[in-house]
Amino acid sequence: KNEVEQSPQNLTAQEGEFITINCSYSVGISALHWLQQHPGGGIVSLFMLSSGKKKHGRLIATINIQEKHSSLHITASHPRDSAVYICAVTIYSNYQLIWGAGTKLIIKP
Amino acid sequence: DAGVTQSPTHLIKTRGQQVTLRCSPKSGHDTVSWYQQALGQGPQFIFQYYEEEERQRGNFPDRFSGHQFPNYSSELNVNALLLGDSALYLCASSLTGEAYEQYFGPGTRLTVT
Repeated sequence: KNEVEQSPQNLTAQEGEFITINCSYSVGISALHWLQQHPGGGIVSLFMLSSGKKKHGRLIATINIQEKHSSLHITASHPRDSAVYICAVTIYSNYQLIWGAGTKLIIKP
Repeated sequence: DAGVTQSPTHLIKTRGQQVTLRCSPKSGHDTVSWYQQALGQGPQFIFQYYEEEERQRGNFPDRFSGHQFPNYSSELNVNALLLGDSALYLCASSLTGEAYEQYFGPGTRLTVT
């Protein structure tokens, strides 16, 4: 079983819809990261969370440490949001990011 | 303020050759991590450099080596290239400590023929 699980694996939605991507992890973490990767492109860090909730524009990320679960929400989705969204965690005294498999999001106009 | 930069953007090499990839961290960052991302797969951790030393290493052979300079920039060297080394190589920088936000460079796409 992977230490970081994301769902769904693929998501197609219409422009304007509210999007939720989920991430569950099975290890103790020092932080959880949400990242975005466009096709053929590099990776952009969206959020780093250790507790609570963060908001940046139309993006909202939440984390529940007790339930070991995080969600990434996109409000008023737009075709330019189409990308792979990746959840990754860092573990105490372990310096690497442990990555989820990613969620491929397609927003249709 | 420049973010993380990597060079070159693209590179084509032949099997058996050696390659050096370069990364300059975001201003103020002292830690550099390298990742390999094969086509259609998630990134795999290669190693992390801090204070000019390799602090942690992923499951990669000794053909993969690195270096960090006093200005915190870093190089990734791969010897005896294999076809399977073809991938996007990502560099990420952060402040000291594993819980700090990592900023990624655009990557270097290496093709081994």
